[in-house]
Amino acid sequence: AQSVTQPDIHITVSEGASLELRCNYSYGATPYLFWYVQSPGQGLQLLLKYFSGDTLVQGIKGFEAEFKRSQSSFNLRKPSVHWSDAAEYFCAVGAGTALIFGKGTTLSVSS
Amino acid sequence: KAGVTQTPRYLIKTRGQQVTLSCSPISGHRSVSWYQQTPGQGLQFLFEYFSETQRNKGNFPGRFSGRQFSNSRSEMNVSTLELGDSALYLCASSSASGGARDTQYFGPGTRLTVL
Repeated sequence: AQSVTQPDIHITVSEGASLELRCNYSYGATPYLFWYVQSPGQGLQLLLKYFSGDTLVQGIKGFEAEFKRSQSSFNLRKPSVHWSDAAEYFCAVGAGTALIFGKGTTLSVSS
Repeated sequence: KAGVTQTPRYLIKTRGQQVTLSCSPISGHRSVSWYQQTPGQGLQFLFEYFSETQRNKGNFPGRFSGRQFSNSRSEMNVSTLELGDSALYLCASSSASGGARDTQYFGPGTRLTVL
């Protein structure tokens, strides 16, 4: 069965430091992978997506993610975190017309 | 373009009642999906509608149902509410030409509290 695992429930990063959020997926075919961000009381905003081709994808707000088929991973990175990046981040895999989400990683940013 | 809109934003009901939530997709989008978000279970897919037909359904009891109208607006209904139905219900729309490849754009959600 398809599944997404985000091993880190909560991460705290200093402002200006680099960030990496981990995501592992289980899917039989070529996965369609997404990262969404959710601020408190808000819906989900798409950061980036991977369908095929270049395994390093660029997204909005300076985020990027790298697809590694051998590791079944799609980790999200940002070189320098801003206080406004504090939010909850969700990795998802497209399964038919549904999205299967991981449980999310809450990012806190310290000054 | 206006984004996905959901009404109402907040709702309080009591056990045993029923509730209807509404979603208006982005103009031109023909697919509408619904998700339930709870602290314990996270984000779970409820169902997806395309051109007034349910194309996909998640693993939820029959108390959860939905429909889509000819203008692509969608409603979901929960009958005989239980305390565990308290959640944020998110609606997402997509152009739905390619299924899993399509980006889903989410609304702000309806926060349902069941007392």
